[in-house]
Amino acid sequence: GIQVEQSPPDLILQEGANSTLRCNFSDSVNNLQWFHQNPWGQLINLFYIPSGTKQNGRLSATTVATERYSLLYISSSQTTDSGVYFCAVIPTGNQFYFGTGTSLTVIP
Amino acid sequence: DTGVSQDPRHKITKRGQNVTFRCDPISEHNRLYWYRQTLGQGPEFLTYFQNEAQLEKSRLLSDRFSAERPKGSFSTLEIQRTEQGDSAMYLCASSLAENTEAFFGQGTRLTVV
Repeated sequence: GIQVEQSPPDLILQEGANSTLRCNFSDSVNNLQWFHQNPWGQLINLFYIPSGTKQNGRLSATTVATERYSLLYISSSQTTDSGVYFCAVIPTGNQFYFGTGTSLTVIP
Repeated sequence: DTGVSQDPRHKITKRGQNVTFRCDPISEHNRLYWYRQTLGQGPEFLTYFQNEAQLEKSRLLSDRFSAERPKGSFSTLEIQRTEQGDSAMYLCASSLAENTEAFFGQGTRLTVV
């Protein structure tokens, strides 16, 4: 199956700092989503972004499908941004393949 | 409609007992997915439905697991003769169609003691 690698695995930031999370995937995809998993385990949708660039407040994402990677940018980080960020892709077929996530801790 | 709903949120059961989880997808969403997540890992695919038809099952879904989606609405996931290795977060998601945005529920955290 497709391989999905996220980096870095862990990230600690001072409140107010900016960060970039990366997702590499080994095959072409039809769907790519970024999620934030809150402390209670729920996956919160951040972006549906199989290609191109989107922005939502302090967050933005870019997917370069031809080069098989996606980036999630977090600007002016806040403590509420802490948690695990997952990239998930659907190549052909119908199931999401998740990366192992980036665990973000924002300290005040 | 407030999103994908899962019930119960938490379940503690003794080894060997059967458990059943329920998922109510977003209305009009034709696709429904079940995933399992263990500590420190990303979610892993179990199965998915297109309306009432179960179209794909992972090899993770042993014969102790069964999923249904009668009438293409809510879905149930049953685990028979639970084992300690079944302890995990079980996540349900739904989407309107193929290659559209999927939304996840809050999950059911199962602990087998």
